[in-house]
Amino acid sequence: AQTVTQSQPEMSVQEAETVTLSCTYDTSESDYYLFWYKQPPSRQMILVIRQEAYKQQNATENRFSVNFQKAAKSFSLKISDSQLGDAAMYFCAYRSALQSGAGSYQLTFGKGTKLSVIP
Amino acid sequence: KAGVTQTPRYLIKTRGQQVTLSCSPISGHRSVSWYQQTPGQGLQFLFEYFSETQRNKGNFPGRFSGRQFSNSRSEMNVSTLELGDSALYLCASSAGPTSNEKLFFGSGTQLSVL
Repeated sequence: AQTVTQSQPEMSVQEAETVTLSCTYDTSESDYYLFWYKQPPSRQMILVIRQEAYKQQNATENRFSVNFQKAAKSFSLKISDSQLGDAAMYFCAYRSALQSGAGSYQLTFGKGTKLSVIP
Repeated sequence: KAGVTQTPRYLIKTRGQQVTLSCSPISGHRSVSWYQQTPGQGLQFLFEYFSETQRNKGNFPGRFSGRQFSNSRSEMNVSTLELGDSALYLCASSAGPTSNEKLFFGSGTQLSVL
């Protein structure tokens, strides 16, 4: 079974600064997908960024980028120019490509990192 | 286009009762999955439906069940509620369980069991 670990329960960042959230995972599979989701106080999970394991290039979405280290099984999220609206819980998630090939969309989540943005 | 809609948003029940939660996916989406979120266990997969068929089930007791209707709306049912069932229940939908589909979440139903 796959596991996802987020070792930082809480983090804070000054507005306009850069912060990096850590995520490690354990899997025996070679093909999979990794995600970062944001959960603001409204509770709705919002997809921030997605990475396919077969792609060597790190994914980027505006101010959000990842550092994907497949051999180290590490998947960190960097938020640049932090804004007050970035304050939320951030979850790292894993999806097996084998399961997706079988028609299943099951995510395994880490426990989350609570990010605070200081004005 | 309306997002994933979950009703009710809040629910209070007592031990031993049963509860039904509802999820309406994004129009056109045929895949619906459910997750339980608690402070202790985090987010855990409950089950997933596609075209009215359960495709996958998480490691939860048989008291947790679900179904999907022909219009893709889904319900989950928890019978004989226990205190530990208090949680945020999140529903998510996608157009289909293929590799490139994005998953969209609702705002959840907060269940409190007293």
